[in-house]
Amino acid sequence: DAGITQSPRHKVTETGTPVTLRCHQTENHRYMYWYRQDPGHGLRLIHYSYGVKDTDKGEVSDGYSVSRSKTEDFLLTLESATSSQTSVYFCAISARDYEQYFGPGTRLTVT
Amino acid sequence: RKEVEQDPGPFNVPEGATVAFNCTYSNSASQSFFWYRQDCRKEPKLLMSVYSSGNEDGRFTAQLNRASQYISLLIRDSKLSDSATYLCVVNLSSNSGYALNFGKGTSLLVTP
Repeated sequence: DAGITQSPRHKVTETGTPVTLRCHQTENHRYMYWYRQDPGHGLRLIHYSYGVKDTDKGEVSDGYSVSRSKTEDFLLTLESATSSQTSVYFCAISARDYEQYFGPGTRLTVT
Repeated sequence: RKEVEQDPGPFNVPEGATVAFNCTYSNSASQSFFWYRQDCRKEPKLLMSVYSSGNEDGRFTAQLNRASQYISLLIRDSKLSDSATYLCVVNLSSNSGYALNFGKGTSLLVTP
């Protein structure tokens, strides 16, 4: 299995609080991605990174920001969590092609 | 219109059966195609890439029809362990890194 970890694995937070999810890889892959998965929607891209300090928006980026200060870490921040951001968040990595490998996911509940 | 469409199922089949999943995609410029497998409450895992000439990996065969923008996955001699959700995946636009566009998945249950 690819060396990808996500933390925390589960989190319950209140509306309006900031939340940061972490993705850590040991593969030294250039590309990293954050997706969310919701019933009826499948996986949707939030943000992605193509290198240290190089990031861009995906299709559902509103309300989220990301940072990548090191190759191995990609952080996803919800500045002010809302109930609509209750979801399962997956991080993925790829080397230089479309074959992506996913982390175990973070289940986030916003009450 | 969703870019990647799949029949959600569920498909309930007995052990040993052959089952086929289909998928259509809307972006004719798509270049890369995959099938991922996702077990309940787990992360998606790459099952196989899909090549224009069709490809096989053991009991699994993937086909691509670019003219019809159609992808298929055939599973022969189904095992109980094949029970999962199968995700049809196509590359996103060329200016999104190597991001992927996922179908909602087709659920398969293989029964004894």
